[in-house]
Amino acid sequence: DAKTTQPPSMDCAEGRAANLPCNHSTISGNEYVYWYRQIHSQGPQYIIHGLKNNETNEMASLIITEDRKSSTLILPHATLRDTAVYYCIVFDSWGKLQFGAGTQVVVTP
Amino acid sequence: DTGVSQDPRHKITKRGQNVTFRCDPISEHNRLYWYRQTLGQGPEFLTYFQNEAQLEKSRLLSDRFSAERPKGSFSTLEIQRTEQGDSAMYLCASSFYPASGKETQYFGPGTRLLVL
Repeated sequence: DAKTTQPPSMDCAEGRAANLPCNHSTISGNEYVYWYRQIHSQGPQYIIHGLKNNETNEMASLIITEDRKSSTLILPHATLRDTAVYYCIVFDSWGKLQFGAGTQVVVTP
Repeated sequence: DTGVSQDPRHKITKRGQNVTFRCDPISEHNRLYWYRQTLGQGPEFLTYFQNEAQLEKSRLLSDRFSAERPKGSFSTLEIQRTEQGDSAMYLCASSFYPASGKETQYFGPGTRLLVL
């Protein structure tokens, strides 16, 4: 079973920041938080991952709470092309990924 | 394009037929994963290889399924005697697993199978 809890859906206005929450209260010390997204009928796309510190790349920012029990993926300026299912995955850095149901994000004009 | 590629992208077959899918990983990636995704669900792990060795198989991988990676490069996934329940998207991912033990998997576009 997936070790994360995400809201099933959320809407975001184009051009605004999208903040996607993820709860992983049972995360262990050696487990990373990974985010992937899947645009309709395509394969999942890697976005970002982190262990303890906040991370930023060209796609998004990842904010992990100090106790590591939750995190937020931030898409700074959402576009229509960001409409997708976003998966938060707790992963011990090797081996199989366990996907949950994810959050369906719809970016509206 | 140097990403993961899968062939075919779509496959329609009749129940009872055999099908084979191919995955070409990112060059120099030593790990290759197969996942299956049904409508409305997240991907589920099937099996993975490190080089040519198959290291883990899910209980989802019944004896009708077989996967190979003969030379540690491309991989094939064969389904024998297909059933309607096999209809799904079959996803391949690859990664480089270094000595430090941390990897990131990159996915291909998937092969969508429909069994009539």
